[in-house]
Parts: sequence; C-alpha cells; structure tokens
Amino acid sequence: NAGVTQTPKFQVLKTGQSMTLQCAQDMNHNSMYWYRQDPGMGLRLIYYSASEGTTDKGEVPNGYNVSRLNKREFSLRLESAAPSQTSVYFCASSWTGRSPLHFGNGTRLTVT
Amino acid sequence: KNEVEQSPQNLTAQEGEFITINCSYSVGISALHWLQQHPGGGIVSLFMLSSGKKKHGRLIATINIQEKHSSLHITASHPRDSAVYICAVAPNTGNQFYFGTGTSLTVIP
Repeated sequence: NAGVTQTPKFQVLKTGQSMTLQCAQDMNHNSMYWYRQDPGMGLRLIYYSASEGTTDKGEVPNGYNVSRLNKREFSLRLESAAPSQTSVYFCASSWTGRSPLHFGNGTRLTVT
Repeated sequence: KNEVEQSPQNLTAQEGEFITINCSYSVGISALHWLQQHPGGGIVSLFMLSSGKKKHGRLIATINIQEKHSSLHITASHPRDSAVYICAVAPNTGNQFYFGTGTSLTVIP
C-alpha cells in the first residue's frame, strides 16, 4: 500500500543548481499535482496534470517544469534553483475533485 | 483573492474540550475536503463531503452548501489531535483545488 511516493525527503541546493523531485502513485489516479507549502500561505499549486500526457500551470509555475512520464509518475524540475524556492513541496493525486486527495510525505528543500 | 477562508488561525484547547474549526468558501464546489497535517509530517485526508454531515470516531464534519460554509468538530479533544487542519474545495469546473491556510490546533494535557 505505497500510495504516493515522493523523493527525496530533504535536499539542500546552492543557488543555480538544478534538481528533479520524483513522484509516483500506485492508485491508478488520473490527476496529479505539485504544491509548495510556505508558512502562512497554505498550499499553492505549481503544476498539475489532469491525465497522462497533459500538464497545466498552476498559481506559481515560474522557475519550475514538470513531466508526466506515464500515468504513475509526475516529476518536478528546478532548472536553476533560487532562494525563493526554499519551501516544502508536496505531490498529490486523485481521481477527480470529487474523490479524496492523497499526498506524498513532502520534500523539504533549502536553497542557499 | 482567497477562495477559502478558515477560522481561527490558531487554537489552543484543554484536553477534553469540544473544538470547532470553520471554513468558508466563495466558489461553487463539487466537494469539500478536510485534511490533517501533524508537525513535520505529511498531509492526510480526513473527510470529503458534498452535503450533510460525516462522522469518523471523534471527528465530525458538516457542510452547508447554500451558505458556503463547513465546520470540523472534534469531541473530547486529545493531545494527539494537535495538528494543522486544512480545508480544501474542489470547484465545479476544472481539476484544481483551492486551499485554506490552515488552523493550527494545540491540545494541552
């Protein structure tokens, strides 16, 4: 019963470095999401994918790219990390808005 | 513009107290979700509801679609209930969710 698996749990980057956050779900969900969580601001949507092969920008997409590699996997890439991208990142999946959201355990990213 | 507003932002209660967290939203929705996040932890789904009331153990969630309002109640609160509770709504159109900023609950023994 893995649910949503997100890696890594922690990461420290220097400004300008790149990295990819990995996310996989084993529930056959159509929709997958990447959020960032910052103190006092709640969860903000970076990108989402309503189905395999499609991706759409969310509220805060600048500085990020995504790939929906197949139905299971949805990765988030930071091409050139900036201190403003220091945050906790969550991947989530669901069938639709009328079904429960399942979250990964989060990635705590620090950019120095 | 905040489509989802939660109150209170912070709440401290004595063990055993009855707790209410409120959520108001401004858009038409297909469902409302209550989520729980323990300190340093992941986020889990507590309830999904589109009408009426749901109960799970000591937790009760209600929704009034006409008034665009939902409440999460915790009866006989316990220190292990200490967490951030987040309200999220799924709008009628689109595939996105809107989130409140969360209510941080601390239950003191």
